[in-house]
Amino acid sequence: GQSLEQPSEVTAVEGAIVQINCTYQTSGFYGLSWYQQHDGGAPTFLSYNALDGLEETGRFSSFLSRSDSYGYLLLQELQMKDSASYFCAPVGGYQKVTFGTGTKLQVIP
Amino acid sequence: DTAVSQTPKYLVTQMGNDKSIKCEQNLGHDTMYWYKQDSKKFLKIMFSYNNKELIINETVPNRFSPKSPDKAHLNLHINSLELGDSAVYFCASSQGGRLSSYNSPLHFGNGTRLTVT
Repeated sequence: GQSLEQPSEVTAVEGAIVQINCTYQTSGFYGLSWYQQHDGGAPTFLSYNALDGLEETGRFSSFLSRSDSYGYLLLQELQMKDSASYFCAPVGGYQKVTFGTGTKLQVIP
Repeated sequence: DTAVSQTPKYLVTQMGNDKSIKCEQNLGHDTMYWYKQDSKKFLKIMFSYNNKELIINETVPNRFSPKSPDKAHLNLHINSLELGDSAVYFCASSQGGRLSSYNSPLHFGNGTRLTVT
């Protein structure tokens, strides 16, 4: 079957670093993507890992371990505007991108 | 200028009615999707079309019928609306498709908030 687990909520202080973990179980796995969604908005693409290791894009980094079916999103130098929901989303065959309920990140001053 | 546009933005209707949501993308993508996001933020894939062909059809009541007249358009028709259909429906597109094994990010529309009373 398919399953996806990430924390429901995380709170962090402005300027700090936060890590959002994700474990998944899915068939036909190609890679792990991450999306950000602000309240009332649409999900927007952040990053994608096809291979094991760390991918860095500015303040955001994403990590994948295929053998552990595990990944994380690392957000550095947190800003208030980073308050949003973050979804890890495994990509399967036919470009099937599976989401869950995401992690609601609250950045506090 | 908008990449993925869906209409209407809001839809309020009564139980038992039939309604449609339209989606258009001008990105030249081959694949389009419908996702449903409930009040708990759970974002669930419903359908995916690649070049007008249905390639993903999740466990969705057959009251929901997608239609893709061309690869730039994907509409969603819902018959006999029920209270549980209340949600935000997102259309999305990507370059990837049936034979694609590389990542092509999803580009989402702004959503249609459907409220069934």
